[in-house]
Amino acid sequence: DGGITQSPKYLFRKEGQNVTLSCEQNLNHDAMYWYRQDPGQGLRLIYYSQIVNDFQKGDIAEGYSVSREKKESFPLTVTSAQKNPTAFYLCASSTPWGEGNYGYTFGSGTRLTVV
Amino acid sequence: RKEVEQDPGPFNVPEGATVAFNCTYSNSASQSFFWYRQDCRKEPKLLMSVYSSGNEDGRFTAQLNRASQYISLLIRDSKLSDSATYLCVVILAAPGGSYIPTFGRGTSLIVHP
Repeated sequence: DGGITQSPKYLFRKEGQNVTLSCEQNLNHDAMYWYRQDPGQGLRLIYYSQIVNDFQKGDIAEGYSVSREKKESFPLTVTSAQKNPTAFYLCASSTPWGEGNYGYTFGSGTRLTVV
Repeated sequence: RKEVEQDPGPFNVPEGATVAFNCTYSNSASQSFFWYRQDCRKEPKLLMSVYSSGNEDGRFTAQLNRASQYISLLIRDSKLSDSATYLCVVILAAPGGSYIPTFGRGTSLIVHP
């Protein structure tokens, strides 16, 4: 079955460390996205990529970095510059809007906690 | 002003009740609209798309009012299992000609016996 996989499900990070969250999809979607969700809050866009080797900053990109070397993969690195990284991170992928049946799918998320 | 706004609730209703949520958007050029459902500590999942003519899926009805720039979700005969957060999603044009989804903060629904 096609889908989008995030790993790990739970991640603990010490202050000052960089960590990388994995996101892989086999849906052949061109676009991929990273969101952050804090308790009781909505989803805030961190980065998005519409095509391989290209990505754009979202609303809260500071302290994060991404790469898009393969269509299937869009890893997110939470750097030590991110002041408050504890949150629920969601990856999503989609077909290009406007090209027929628009599909937008989320992974199951990674809960990052700074200890 | 936020691009997509929802009343966070919570809406606390008894089983069998009818409940409606609204979502307003600020960009009149918004292209497409969706409702997603998010259960506690889970990822959002597509509930339904919202079409200009309105659309229904069982107990759920979605409406779009472009003139007033809002979409709505009506749930009839509420079930305990409808308890969740309902997210409004609007497709907006981004720099460079791409279109990306923008999420509201969500409306919390609690259905009690």
